[in-house]
Amino acid sequence: ELKVEQNPLFLSMQEGKNYTIYCNYSTTSDRLYWYRQDPGKSLESLFVLLSNGAVKQEGRLMASLDTKARLSTLHITAAVHDLSATYFCAVAGTYKYIFGTGTRLKVLA
Amino acid sequence: ETGVTQSPTHLIKTRGQQVTLRCSSQSGHNTVSWYQQALGQGPQFIFQYYREEENGRGNFPPRFSGLQFPNYSSELNVNALELDDSALYLCASNKEAGTSVYNEQFFGPGTRLTVL
Repeated sequence: ELKVEQNPLFLSMQEGKNYTIYCNYSTTSDRLYWYRQDPGKSLESLFVLLSNGAVKQEGRLMASLDTKARLSTLHITAAVHDLSATYFCAVAGTYKYIFGTGTRLKVLA
Repeated sequence: ETGVTQSPTHLIKTRGQQVTLRCSSQSGHNTVSWYQQALGQGPQFIFQYYREEENGRGNFPPRFSGLQFPNYSSELNVNALELDDSALYLCASNKEAGTSVYNEQFFGPGTRLTVL
């Protein structure tokens, strides 16, 4: 059964710093998604990664996918307070998404 | 283009009651999936409906059931509610299930269910 692990689970970082969130998954998949979730809200799609070596960037966030290593990363550059949220990766199975445990990010001023 | 909509937004029930949650798929989408997200956890797949039939199911008991209608909208029914059923229930829709074609799932705003 496909399993998805994220780390760290909690991340407290200062504004202006860089950090990376890791998403490891257990079986072959070539579709991986990153979402942001604010408290009490639904999922906001951030990135869709569809092939090995895919890299996408939006503002201070950059996501990459290595299907051979079964690893995706979400890199945060020069964090700002507005990035505080929970971030999930999700790997596509045959008909369902398997979500990671989430990384709760808090950016301190 | 209309996105995925869900109703109601919030719901409070008591243990043992039954509840029905509703979802309208995004325009052009014929497949609906339901996920349960407990507090502090990632969403867990409940089941998927395609062409009005269940197309796959996660590790949820039979008291979780669903329907899909000819207009592709869907209902999630939960019988004999338990305290642990308190969660955010997310509906997602996509085009043509079970193919190799890229078919991203688009999520609705969710229904927050509280069981007392």
